[in-house]
Amino acid sequence: EIVMTQSPATLSVSPGERATLSCRASQSVSSKLAWYQQKPGQAPRLLIYGTSTRATGIPARFSGSGSGTEFTLTIDSLQSEDFAVYYCQQYNNWYTFGQGTKLEIK
Amino acid sequence: QVQLVESGGGVVQPGKSLRLSCAASGFTFSTFGVFWIRQAPGKGLEWVAVISFDGNNKYYGDSVKGRFTVSRDDSKNTLFLQMSSLRPEDTAVYYCAKGGTDSYFDSWGQGTLVTVSS
Repeated sequence: EIVMTQSPATLSVSPGERATLSCRASQSVSSKLAWYQQKPGQAPRLLIYGTSTRATGIPARFSGSGSGTEFTLTIDSLQSEDFAVYYCQQYNNWYTFGQGTKLEIK
Repeated sequence: QVQLVESGGGVVQPGKSLRLSCAASGFTFSTFGVFWIRQAPGKGLEWVAVISFDGNNKYYGDSVKGRFTVSRDDSKNTLFLQMSSLRPEDTAVYYCAKGGTDSYFDSWGQGTLVTVSS
């Protein structure tokens, strides 16, 4: 099983600033990496797939990068609605998720 | 727009069975793989099962293999998850999700809560 490790567990950032979330895979997942956002009481929402392709309707302030085993989700100019939990997921070898990064208001 | 609506959750005793349903609309159901993913209370996400667009291929996560069965009825645009020999650790919100052009999850239902407790 490919283990996905996200860091940090909690990230405190002020509105208007940039947030950088990391995700590491225990072995290469090529570019088959997705990011999801989950708010309390809601289902996850797809943000990014294929490492860097934004899903339909996702604002340009969300961007993804990386390859192989190291990936990053960057959120520029944080808005109030961006504070949530973010999960990475690999789909190169079955499907596994990271444990999540909680993005909170500083 | 794509809509996925789960139902069938509830409280069930250990060792018993339960069947979840997921009604799909807003897309051509028969042309997409569909997934079940669960989330234990306060925990992260775990893939449970997938069924291919034609129903010929079914795969399961290790924790549910041999106990859960995924199926689909394309005439009713509905996905199912038959859960048997339920354990307390199966307690979770169960989501159905539509597969994207690759095996990421591009649309999710709102989830249905399954509680396994005596």
